[in-house]
Amino acid sequence: EPEVTQTPSHQVTQMGQEVILRCVPISNHLYFYWYRQILGQKVEFLVSFYNNEISEKSEIFDDQFSVERPDGSNFTLKIRSTKLEDSAMYFCATSSGRAVGTDTQYFGPGTRLTVL
Amino acid sequence: GDSVTQMEGPVTLSEEAFLTINCTYTATGYPSLFWYVQYPGEGLQLLLKATKADDKGSNKGFEATYRKETTSFHLEKGSVQVSDSAVYFCALSDASVLGSRLTFGEGTQLTVNP
Repeated sequence: EPEVTQTPSHQVTQMGQEVILRCVPISNHLYFYWYRQILGQKVEFLVSFYNNEISEKSEIFDDQFSVERPDGSNFTLKIRSTKLEDSAMYFCATSSGRAVGTDTQYFGPGTRLTVL
Repeated sequence: GDSVTQMEGPVTLSEEAFLTINCTYTATGYPSLFWYVQYPGEGLQLLLKATKADDKGSNKGFEATYRKETTSFHLEKGSVQVSDSAVYFCALSDASVLGSRLTFGEGTQLTVNP
């Protein structure tokens, strides 16, 4: 069964450093998403991406964040200058985008980001 | 905006007990409803879904019915197993919009003891 993959599984970085989290979506899916889950809190939506542009973003997704699909397979989330409060589990998700009302998002295993 | 409220956890049950995890929602549009499960050390897996009122989603012995009149989507299982120990998330998305974000509840930690 096709699945979403994410790398790395765990990333440790110093405050102020840039990080790039990578996701390989399910191959025939058209919509891509990033969510995050701070320890002990809800899973929160960050951004959705379709046809090589952002389709929706939350208030969390400020100028420090960016997304792109650099090579037609990977989908990346970049945090330009990490803060302590960016420490969280980051989940990539994808959906086929072919059927309004039944579209389902499939999640990767997550990247745990720790900012020191 | 849209929101999802789950019963407070954690929930601890003995094997073969009956499980109910309550979920209610507030939505401006007409949502699709989902239950996702997160096993220890893993990502979110879709457990079941329902896309219109009175639909029942089911999978692996779990069931949930989309109740528009009570804005609820409670998760039930008749006889839980130790392997069901996980965190369960109720979520919704706008069914009328492709690529709509998921809005999640707080998650409910379930522990099943042998």
